[in-house]
Amino acid sequence: AQKVTQAQTEISVVEKEDVTLDCVYETRDTTYYLFWYKQPPSGELVFLIRRNSFDEQNEISGRYSWNFQKSTSSFNFTITASQVVDSAVYFCALSEAVSGGYQKVTFGTGTKLQVIP
Amino acid sequence: DTGVSQNPRHKITKRGQNVTFRCDPISEHNRLYWYRQTLGQGPEFLTYFQNEAQLEKSRLLSDRFSAERPKGSFSTLEIQRTEQGDSAMYLCASSSGGAGRDLKEKLFFGSGTQLSVL
Repeated sequence: AQKVTQAQTEISVVEKEDVTLDCVYETRDTTYYLFWYKQPPSGELVFLIRRNSFDEQNEISGRYSWNFQKSTSSFNFTITASQVVDSAVYFCALSEAVSGGYQKVTFGTGTKLQVIP
Repeated sequence: DTGVSQNPRHKITKRGQNVTFRCDPISEHNRLYWYRQTLGQGPEFLTYFQNEAQLEKSRLLSDRFSAERPKGSFSTLEIQRTEQGDSAMYLCASSSGGAGRDLKEKLFFGSGTQLSVL
C-alpha cells in the first residue's frame, strides 16, 4: 500500500535561513507522481511542485528546489532564504493509479514550518 | 476560475444529528475528491468521483457517510447520526484529467468545512 512519511513534525528557522523538508514514500508502482502542497493558516491547501517517477533531475524554481532520489524513495523540498510568509504546514503527497485506473493521492502528516523574523 | 467552494465553512451539531456539506468544484474539472483532516494530521482520503460516478470509497467511510455528485457537478457529503469522532475538517478537491491513469494532475482544494460534534 502507498505510504508517505514526513518525520519532521515542526521546524523553526530564522528568516533568510535555508530549510529542507524531508519526505519518504512507499509504493509498489513504477509510475507515480510526487507533490508538495502548502497549507497556510487560512487552511486551503495549495499546490507547489510535482515530479514524476521517471525524472530524477533535480530542479530549482525561484526559492524552491527539490531533491528526488528513487534509490532512497525520498522527495525532499528546500526553501532558500526563508521568509515569514513561508510559515505554514507543508505536505508531501504521492499520486498513483489504483484498481479502476483512477488517480489516488495519499498525503503525509505534514511538517509545520515557522519562520521567525 | 472561481476555485473550489465549500459550504458551510463551520458546522456545529449535536451528537446523533445528521449533517450535509456541499462542494462546488472548478467547473471544468471532472474529478472530485473528499478528504478528512484532523488536527496535526494530513488529509485522509474518503471518496472519489469521476464525473457522476463514485469510483472509490475508503474503509474510513462508514455506513453513516454517503456522498453524491448528481450530474457530475457539485457534490454533497452527508453524515448521519454524527458521533464526536466525526469532528474534523472535511476538504473537497477537484482536478482535471480523464478516466485513465492520468496521475500528474494537481488537486485544487476548497477551504473546507470544519465540523464540531458536541
